[in-house]
Amino acid sequence: AQKITQTQPGMFVQEKEAVTLDCTYDTSDPSYGLFWYKQPSSGEMIFLIYQGSYDQQNATEGRYSLNFQKARKSANLVISASQLGDSAMYFCAMREPGGKLIFGQGTELSVKP
Amino acid sequence: DTGVSQNPRHKITKRGQNVTFRCDPISEHNRLYWYRQTLGQGPEFLTYFQNEAQLEKSRLLSDRFSAERPKGSFSTLEIQRTEQGDSAMYLCASSRLGLNTEAFFGQGTRLTVV
Repeated sequence: AQKITQTQPGMFVQEKEAVTLDCTYDTSDPSYGLFWYKQPSSGEMIFLIYQGSYDQQNATEGRYSLNFQKARKSANLVISASQLGDSAMYFCAMREPGGKLIFGQGTELSVKP
Repeated sequence: DTGVSQNPRHKITKRGQNVTFRCDPISEHNRLYWYRQTLGQGPEFLTYFQNEAQLEKSRLLSDRFSAERPKGSFSTLEIQRTEQGDSAMYLCASSRLGLNTEAFFGQGTRLTVV
């Protein structure tokens, strides 16, 4: 069965430093998609970045990059040059070919000035 | 605004009452998802539709929960005989077909069962 695991309930990072948020997944499908979302205290879910299972290169979007290690079934999010506005909950998600989209438990990131 | 719209935004109900929530997805999106989220947790998958077909319902979901998407457009989520444990934020999301298509979320309906 599909499963997403985020083992870090909370993380702290100093402003302007880089931080890595961990995500591991489990699926028997060879084809799948991996997503990261940000949820600030206001509650909205904001899409950050996508990685496909067949993508050869790691995805990047501005300060966000995805460290995709397919053999280890991990898809860690790297945020470079952290900003105070990056403080939020971060969720890793996976979509299987049939379309079902599931989320991990989340990591609460706090950026310290 | 052409985003995902959920109504009502807040609902307070007495235990044992039935409640119904509505979700209007982005118009060209084929897929529609329902999730439940409690404080500090990730969105818990409830069910999803592709057009009007309900493709999967979470096995953790009791028979008190039912969802419909009758014409492949808006969807409703009904909870019968509400319990205090049903108190949560109920999120709706929609997306196009495809593995790589991001899901767009509504602002949610916050349910409080007293």
